[in-house]
Amino acid sequence: QSALTQPASVSGSPGQSITISCTGTSSDVGGYNYVAWYQQHPGKAPKLMIYDVSNRPSGVSDRFSGSKSGNTASLTISGLQAEDEADYYCSSYTTTSTYVFGSGTKVIVL
Amino acid sequence: QLLLLESGPGLVRPSETLSLTCSVSGASISSTTYYWVWVRQPPGKGLEWIASIYYGGNSYYNPSLKSRVTMSVDTSKNQFSLKVTSVTAADTAVYYCASEGYSGYDGAFDFWGLGTLVSVSS
Repeated sequence: QSALTQPASVSGSPGQSITISCTGTSSDVGGYNYVAWYQQHPGKAPKLMIYDVSNRPSGVSDRFSGSKSGNTASLTISGLQAEDEADYYCSSYTTTSTYVFGSGTKVIVL
Repeated sequence: QLLLLESGPGLVRPSETLSLTCSVSGASISSTTYYWVWVRQPPGKGLEWIASIYYGGNSYYNPSLKSRVTMSVDTSKNQFSLKVTSVTAADTAVYYCASEGYSGYDGAFDFWGLGTLVSVSS
């Protein structure tokens, strides 16, 4: 199974909003609402930021939001902060009862 | 609070079998409410889902690894494990264990271990 497609990097200034895309197919992103987003700082384990396309786990800032249209999911970070600089990965359930991650996006806070 | 901790050898020789264990505290490994998961990350690269197991039920494997991977649960030790046979340098990665659905978030990996680096080299 091929990794979901994400931009290699996205940058923004503090206070701005940025959006990361995650493109799959009708067999994964387009076919299920089991799309999640993870934040990973260098040398650390990933942290769940969004589940079921647009839901935030308890304790995650409301500056993070998710959406989906067709085969593409998106993560938006509003009011960008220095601490948001990290790698972000999307994931999706698939028709073969497996999971696939995105290629990963490095968020750079200018 | 669920805690997960990976353990295993840091170095494995090519063609041998990689064996990892994830110790679980704060939850019963035999719960039928959530899945146990392995994910890996080669140095400098992205995340790759390896496998998921549901106690007393099915296990699911990444098609690209399915022929070499086995996941199992040990209820006596409250652990689950991963075996990867015939390893090559391409299996060098940080291996993470995780839970899926523990917090009620289906389809998402909500708790993660710290990760353990496994290098494949002679």
